[in-house]
Amino acid sequence: DGGITQSPKYLFRKEGQNVTLSCEQNLNHDAMYWYRQDPGQGLRLIYYSQIVNDFQKGDIAEGYSVSREKKESFPLTVTSAQKNPTAFYLCASSTPTGYGYTFGSGTRLTVV
Amino acid sequence: KQEVTQIPAALSVPEGENLVLNCSFTDSAIYNLQWFRQDPGKGLTSLLLIQSSQREQTSGRLNASLDKSSGRSTLYIAASQPGDSATYLCAASDNYGQNFVFGPGTRLSVLP
Repeated sequence: DGGITQSPKYLFRKEGQNVTLSCEQNLNHDAMYWYRQDPGQGLRLIYYSQIVNDFQKGDIAEGYSVSREKKESFPLTVTSAQKNPTAFYLCASSTPTGYGYTFGSGTRLTVV
Repeated sequence: KQEVTQIPAALSVPEGENLVLNCSFTDSAIYNLQWFRQDPGKGLTSLLLIQSSQREQTSGRLNASLDKSSGRSTLYIAASQPGDSATYLCAASDNYGQNFVFGPGTRLSVLP
C-alpha cells in the first residue's frame, strides 16, 4: 500500500544536539512538506519541496534544514539553533496542485 | 497573508445529532480548501477537498461547502457517531494549490 513513513515515532534530544527526522513516501508525489504542531495550535509550515533538489522555506524555517536528493525522501534536521524544538512534527506529500494530500503518522520530539 | 480560523474550538454532542463546524479564511484567492481529521497523537487524514470553482463536496455522512466571497467553509456531519470524535482541521491553499494554511482545529466529542 502507498503511504508516508515517518521515523522515529518518538525522539529525545539533548540541548545542543542536531537530530534528523526521516520521511519516506511511495506515492510518487512530487511535492513534500514538513509541518510543526504545538498543543492546541494548527500546523505551521517549516519547509516544502516541489521537485528533487529544490526546496523553499515555510513560515518557521529558522533552526531547521532539509534536503531533497530523491523524490521519495525528504529528511528534516532540527539544529541546535532551534530554541524551542519540542513539538509534534508531521511530514506530508501531494501532487503539485495539492491533490492526494497524505500525512505521515508524525514524530514527537522532546528536548531533555 | 492568509489566516484561517475555526469556530468552535471544541464541541460536545450526543450521538445521533447533526452538527456543523465552521472555518473562515481571510484571503479569498484560494486554489482549494480541504478538511482533515486528526486522531490524538496521529497524523491527519484528508476528508474532503473542494476546488475553488466548486460549492460543495460530499462523502458519506460528510458534506463540505465553500463560499469564497464570504471567506467561509462549513463541514456538516450527519447522524454523528462516537467514532467521529477527533479534531477537525480546515486548510486553505494558496493560489497555486501548493501550500496550505491550517486552522487550529475543532475538537469534537460525540457522546454515546
